[in-house]
Amino acid sequence: KNQVEQSPQSLIILEGKNCTLQCNYTVSPFSNLRWYKQDTGRGPVSLTIMTFSENTKSNGRYTATLDADTKQSSLHITASQLSDSASYICVVSDRGSTLGRLYFGRGTQLTVWP
Amino acid sequence: EADIYQTPRYLVIGTGKKITLECSQTMGHDKMYWYQQDPGMELHLIHYSYGVNSTEKGDLSSESTVSRIRTEHFPLTLESARPSHTSQYLCASGAGTSWQFFGPGTRLTVL
Repeated sequence: KNQVEQSPQSLIILEGKNCTLQCNYTVSPFSNLRWYKQDTGRGPVSLTIMTFSENTKSNGRYTATLDADTKQSSLHITASQLSDSASYICVVSDRGSTLGRLYFGRGTQLTVWP
Repeated sequence: EADIYQTPRYLVIGTGKKITLECSQTMGHDKMYWYQQDPGMELHLIHYSYGVNSTEKGDLSSESTVSRIRTEHFPLTLESARPSHTSQYLCASGAGTSWQFFGPGTRLTVL
C-alpha cells in the first residue's frame, strides 16, 4: 500500500532556531517527492520537488534531502521566522499512472514562537 | 505558480441546501482535481478530470458531483448539504503527470 508518514506530528521552536522535519514513504514506483507549505485556511504551496536522482535541493532557508534507497526525505528549516508557522506536507508521486497521482502525508504542524 | 481561483473562500449554510464550489485556472492545464481535507488530516482526492467532458471519482467516496465543460472551469456541486460535508475543499490543476498547483481552498460549514 502506498503511504507517506511524517514526523513529528507537531513541533514548537523559538524564532531563529533550526529544525528538521521527516518523511518516510512506501510509494512505488517512485516519481518525485515534493514538500509543500500550507498556511492555516490556505491551499498548499510547493517549496521543493526532487526526483529519484536528486539528493538535496534548497529554496532559500528550506533545504530538502532525499534518500531514495531508504525512501526517506527531510526538510531542514534554517533560522526560523514567525512566518514559517504552518503545516509542512510531504507529497510523493508515483510514475505508474497517467493521472499524476499524489500521496499526501498528514503534515507536521510547525509553530515558531518569538 | 499557476493562477487558480476558488470561490467562495468561506461558506456557512444550512442542511439541505444545494451549493456549488467554483474553481477556475488560467494556465490552460488539462488535469484538474478536487481534494477534501479535514483539520490536521491529509488531503483526500474526491474528483479529477483529464480534460473537457472527462470526470472521474477519486479515492475518497463523496456525494458531490463535478463537471468539466470548459478547460478552465471545474465546479463541484452538493445537491443537499449535510453537516458531514463540513470540511475544507481544495482545487488543483496540473499540466504534467504530477505537477499540481493548488487553489486557496473553500472552507465549508454545514449547520
